[in-house]
Formats: sequence, structure tokens, C-alpha cells
Amino acid sequence: GAVVSQHPSRVICKSGTSVKIECRSLDFQATTMFWYRQFPKQSLMLMATSNEGSKATYEQGVEKDKFLINHASLTLSTLTVTSAHPEDSSFYICSAAGGNNEKLFFGSGTQLSVL
Amino acid sequence: GQQVMQIPQYQHVQEGEDFTTYCNSSTTLSNIQWYKQRPGGHPVFLIQLVKSGEVKKQKRLTFQFGEAKKNSSLHITATQTTDVGTYFCAGPFKSGNTPLVFGKGTRLSVIA
Repeated sequence: GAVVSQHPSRVICKSGTSVKIECRSLDFQATTMFWYRQFPKQSLMLMATSNEGSKATYEQGVEKDKFLINHASLTLSTLTVTSAHPEDSSFYICSAAGGNNEKLFFGSGTQLSVL
Repeated sequence: GQQVMQIPQYQHVQEGEDFTTYCNSSTTLSNIQWYKQRPGGHPVFLIQLVKSGEVKKQKRLTFQFGEAKKNSSLHITATQTTDVGTYFCAGPFKSGNTPLVFGKGTRLSVIA
């Protein structure tokens, strides 16, 4: 099946710093990628839809200036958590739709810990 | 907006017992998907159901899509320790197929 690569897998940073997370589709082109956030023992919450060559679409309650998304190519989307604070600590997972934009293939996730 | 509700939240079973998780949507779905997330891992696609009343099987797993295309279930026969994880159902967020909105998941623990 399709492969989505995400890194880094774990980041520990100081409060106030910015963190960039990369998501790559390795064997297919993804015009659309999705960023989810998952708190411990919780479900996946959609943060934003990343569209290649255009602005991302953010879900209600997600600050676009806080979570910068760039989708400059058909195989790469990045999420930058700007001026991270402890409340931003979470598991961030990217995904891309394979084939006919149906099932999602997920990256391995990034565990962000902000001290 | 569309909501996907899933029960139970947790389920503890003895190895060999059966397990079922249920999913309900507030709206009719064009399709429903099931994912499994192992502890510490990421969600992995299991199956997609599209047709009303559809039933699909994968070895010990049986997936059903309701006649009204608003509910679904996943049943595992004779659970094994390898079945441990959280099972999520997910439906299209809006018209079309993506993105998906996920249920809260059912966390399955299997006691050997």
C-alpha cells in the first residue's frame, strides 16, 4: 500500500521555539494531505487540510498563525508549530488520501513535548 | 457538523471471547472506514464499507454497514492478544470522501 513518511517522530523543545514537522508521500502524489492532532487516549481531531499550491483550510478553533502549513509539492506537506507552548504538546499525525481520495494512509506521527 | 459516535469507549475481554464495537453517524454516510491503532502507533486502515447493508469479513473480523448507511459495527471472533489496540470508525467529514471525521474509538484490552 501507499507509504506516508513523517518526521521527526519525537521532538522535545523549549517554550517559545518553533517546530517543523514534515510529511511525505513516498510512492504516490498527494494533492491533499490532512493534519490531525491526538491527545493521549483520545480520538484524532482534524486540524487542517493541506492543499498543494494553495492555502490550507483550517478547522474551527485551529489558529492558522499558530500552525503554519505549507504544501509546496505533490509529495510534501509541512506543519510548523510556531512559538510552541506546553499546551501544544500532543501527538501530531499527517495523512494523505490514496487512490480515489478514499482511504487515508497515515504517517507514523510526531510526539511533541514542549517544556 | 457531522458527528461520529462510537461505543463502548473501553472493552476488556478474556482471550478467546468475542468483541464488538459500534459506530453511529448523525448523517448518512457515503462510506465508512475502520482503522486500528496499536499502542504507541499510528492508525492503520482496515476496511471501507460503501454499500447499504454491506458485510465484509477479514479472517476473524466482521464489518457491517447499516441499511440506512448511518451505523456500522466491527465484530472480532475469538479475540487474541494481537487484537489489542484502539479501533476507530471514520466517515467523510463533508460531502465527498475526504477528509474523515473519526469516532472516539474503542480501546480493546485482551487478557491472556
